[in-house]
Parts: sequence; C-alpha cells; structure tokens
Amino acid sequence: KAGVTQTPRYLIKTRGQQVTLSCSPISGHRSVSWYQQTPGQGLQFLFEYFSETQRNKGNFPGRFSGRQFSNSRSEMNVSTLELGDSALYLCASSQPPGTADTQYFGPGTRLTVL
Amino acid sequence: EDQVTQSPEALRLQEGESSSLNCSYTVSGLRGLFWYRQDPGKGPEFLFTLYSAGEEKEKERLKATLTKKESFLHITAPKPEDSATYLCAVQSFGNEKLTFGTGTRLTIIP
Repeated sequence: KAGVTQTPRYLIKTRGQQVTLSCSPISGHRSVSWYQQTPGQGLQFLFEYFSETQRNKGNFPGRFSGRQFSNSRSEMNVSTLELGDSALYLCASSQPPGTADTQYFGPGTRLTVL
Repeated sequence: EDQVTQSPEALRLQEGESSSLNCSYTVSGLRGLFWYRQDPGKGPEFLFTLYSAGEEKEKERLKATLTKKESFLHITAPKPEDSATYLCAVQSFGNEKLTFGTGTRLTIIP
C-alpha cells in the first residue's frame, strides 16, 4: 500500500512569490491535514480537508489556503511569501477524519524563502 | 488553549543506557496523547496513543506512560537505530486539532 506522497520535496522561492504544494493521500483515505514544522515552533496545524470541505483550520494568516479535489488529493497555497514561511510542510492522511492514531504523514516539502 | 512542552530538547545516551523523555501538557479535556518518532528527512511516524491516566503502552524498547499532567517515554537499553526526534501531541475533546510539542532529539552513541 503506497504511503502519503508530497511534491515537490524541495522548493526555493523568493519573498513575495507564491507557492503551491501537493499531497496525495493513502488510497481510501479521504481526510488530509497540513502542518508547518519549524525548529522553534514545532509542528503547527494549518488545516484539514475531508470530502473537499475544510473541517478545521489553525491560526495562520489568510495567505495560507488549501483545497481538496474529488480524488482526495490536496494542495496548499501560500501567497506573498515571507522569510518566516521557510519550513517543512507536512501532509497527513487519515480515515476516518479526526483520528490521530490512524494518521499517516508524508515526507514533507522543504520550502526555503530567500 | 492546549499546550505541550517536551524536555529535554536533546539527549545523548550511550548504547544500553536507559532514560526517559518527558511531555507535559495542559488541555481542557484530554481525548488522547500521542507519541511519534521522526527521522531526518521524513514525516512523523505514529508510535502510541494514551487515553487516560495510568495507562501504559509498550513497543520493543519503548514504553509510554500517562498521568493527568504529563507523559513519559521510557527507553530501555537503547540501540543506535533508536536515534530520532520523538514528538508528543495532544488532542482535546471538542477540538480535533493536534497540538504538538517541539520534540526531543535523541542520539544513541554506539
């Protein structure tokens, strides 16, 4: 059974640009959550999608947005990038939604903002 | 607001030297406390879920315990392959979002 995949694995952008990250969940999983991981703050919850609808949202500015497609694949977008957005962005899938102990993480996308 | 604090930030042990990692938490009502292992360049890997004070879970050289204020991850006779960052997270009733600590980076020296 294939795991959670994230693309791209590494990304370098400059301030002011925007970026789109992609996540493909485990087959059969319809819930996708996104997290930001930084050395100082640890993992912080961004949002969760289930059946193309946002179920939960963390405390991030509106520059961070996401969506989910009918095949459960999800994308997150960050507009007007800031230096502080440099982080590892992790995606996790689960089924059913909200069940942390059946949540599987992808390898992450390392975003560097210059 | 849920809060999680992990200590120490980093721990270096000799192979075979047992120790414990601490996770202190504050929640309005604990739904579950979760331990994860994260290797460099990878996403967190689920280890244990603990639901109520007094509960214990074991897996190989790891044992997780839970009280009303904290959880411990005990590692017995560790091996170099146990080197990783160990993360603790909580989920409270009425709030499905996981709140993570910043982790303990464990290094086992052969």
